[in-house]
Amino acid sequence: AQSVTQLGSHVSVSEGALVLLRCNYSSSVPPYLFWYVQYPNQGLQLLLKYTTGATLVKGINGFEAEFKKSETSFHLTKPSAHMSDAAEYFCAVSDLSGGSNYKLTFGKGTLLTVNP
Amino acid sequence: DTGVSQDPRHKITKRGQNVTFRCDPISEHNRLYWYRQTLGQGPEFLTYFQNEAQLEKSRLLSDRFSAERPKGSFSTLEIQRTEQGDSAMYLCASSPAGQRYEQYFGPGTRLTVT
Repeated sequence: AQSVTQLGSHVSVSEGALVLLRCNYSSSVPPYLFWYVQYPNQGLQLLLKYTTGATLVKGINGFEAEFKKSETSFHLTKPSAHMSDAAEYFCAVSDLSGGSNYKLTFGKGTLLTVNP
Repeated sequence: DTGVSQDPRHKITKRGQNVTFRCDPISEHNRLYWYRQTLGQGPEFLTYFQNEAQLEKSRLLSDRFSAERPKGSFSTLEIQRTEQGDSAMYLCASSPAGQRYEQYFGPGTRLTVT
């Protein structure tokens, strides 16, 4: 079974500071990994994804993440936080096992607050 | 707007009542998923359709839950005899045949059972 662990349910940074949101996964097969962002009372928006190829992936709004197989990690970073980045962030892994339906397994989320 | 739409956005119901939610996926997306998100948690998979066929159901989907996608287009999720524990955000997502791993989410339906 796959699982995702997001370290830190709440991260607080100052505007302009580095954002680092941590995600570790477990999967029996090479994973597809995703970061989604959710604003209050809204659905999920895809920030970025790793499927194959380059392990450093860039997404929207200046975010990027690096797939590290040896550490089973997929941490999300942004060099300089903006007030508009305040939201909840979810890491997810896609089920690629045989006959898979590509359903997603999510972490519990990390709430990012940005202080002026 | 050509994204995934869900209706209603909010539903308040009394315990024991039946409710039905609707999801309209992005046109020509043949895969459709339902997830449930409770407060402070990430979304959890409920069920999956490929075209009109329901191919997988989570054990979270008790006998009181039923989902359909009659013509392979929109989908409905019905909860019978609602319980307070059903209070959650119900999210729908769709994905195209060409990029099966990429899911596009709707805004969700927030259910409150009183």
